[in-house]
Amino acid sequence: DTEVTQTPKHLVMGMTNKKSLKCEQHMGHRAMYWYKQKAKKPPELMFVYSYEKLSINESVPSRFSPECPNSSLLNLHLHALQPEDSALYLCASSQGSSDINEQFFGPGTRLTVL
Amino acid sequence: GQNIDQPTEMTATEGAIVQINCTYQTSGFNGLFWYQQHAGEAPTFLSYNVLDGLEEKGRFSSFLSRSKGYSYLLLKELQMKDSASYLCAVVDSNYQLIWGAGTKLIIKP
Repeated sequence: DTEVTQTPKHLVMGMTNKKSLKCEQHMGHRAMYWYKQKAKKPPELMFVYSYEKLSINESVPSRFSPECPNSSLLNLHLHALQPEDSALYLCASSQGSSDINEQFFGPGTRLTVL
Repeated sequence: GQNIDQPTEMTATEGAIVQINCTYQTSGFNGLFWYQQHAGEAPTFLSYNVLDGLEEKGRFSSFLSRSKGYSYLLLKELQMKDSASYLCAVVDSNYQLIWGAGTKLIIKP
């Protein structure tokens, strides 16, 4: 299994809703990432988990809350989002985060905040 | 600061060759990736360069010059399915990817 899966594929939510994005990989990778990508822009790193511990938080607002329940799963909990948070949210994984490793990306969740 | 520059958009003809350039200024350098991203889809890995020179992989080749802070992706025998964005990303001293804005490649028949 060489893929990263993400659910849901599309999500529409209001500013008062609470929702979660899910990411899963079964490649034995020890590093997992959340990126946010706006149209025609490169991916922006949000969080990095290394060995199930949060190693990087790129000054992301607290309305985004990551969680890594185990080495294969990564969640992103969303609460009180703003319309400008609408974007493609990409999950990626790699063998490690502290050396050179190709990142494998999931298909993304297209999020729309009304 | 960290900076990666790529052309915003390029157009080429089916069957032709196109070269997409990337220049970078980053805090440290641990290699450079090229990714392909079709609209609405996730980026997919194309190549990785850490030493100077040309890496060839089928129709795609990638070149790196560390002294010049420069890389290019060369696509030969272009096909319509090559229409996509091509992202250059540099691994910095903290082993994090610094992404360019991407080059949208349009292939015309």
